[in-house]
Amino acid sequence: SQTIHQWPATLVQPVGSPLSLECTVEGTSNPNLYWYRQAAGRGLQLLFYSVGIGQISSEVPQNLSASRPQDRQFILSSKKLLLSDSGFYLCAWSEAHSANNEQFFGPGTRLTVL
Amino acid sequence: DAKTTQPPSMDCAEGRAANLPCNHSTISGNEYVYWYRQIHSQGPQYIIHGLKNNETNEMASLIITEDRKSSTLILPHATLRDTAVYYCIVRASYNNNDMRFGAGTRLTVKP
Repeated sequence: SQTIHQWPATLVQPVGSPLSLECTVEGTSNPNLYWYRQAAGRGLQLLFYSVGIGQISSEVPQNLSASRPQDRQFILSSKKLLLSDSGFYLCAWSEAHSANNEQFFGPGTRLTVL
Repeated sequence: DAKTTQPPSMDCAEGRAANLPCNHSTISGNEYVYWYRQIHSQGPQYIIHGLKNNETNEMASLIITEDRKSSTLILPHATLRDTAVYYCIVRASYNNNDMRFGAGTRLTVKP
């Protein structure tokens, strides 16, 4: 069966510090991968998605970047965090080339920037 | 993708059916209706999806009106663990890379 992992679960970082959040998927090949952010009390905002290694699409201009160095690894990064980067970051995967594919979400990382 | 409208909150008594409505009046013919839920501090969980026929699985039933402009998610016997935010999303079948989550409906199941 497929599983998706995210770490760390929680993170407190000072403004201006770098960020690296990791997401890995097991039990599937060539998945579509996604990064979402959820601000407190709000819906999810799609940040990035990837259909393959090295292929990243950005949905909104921001202080963050994403990379996919391996088929089942998706990394969210920042060189200098802003206060507004605080939120709940969720990684998700879906099967590629499937018309009815649902997305499967990881447990999330709660980031607080102070 | 079509926009959806959901009530911000609902209450339901434990053991009773929870009926969560969703309006999607601008839905296109190739767009599916998806339902997810998010329990506090967890990632969203897929519940069910459909195109035009009613669907049922072990978690819920999805009733889509004949004109497809609205749908209802039914949890037949709500439990306290069903307390969550429920998201109704419509998405084109060709659009594998976008699942737009709105504010959803916060369902509170009360004992």
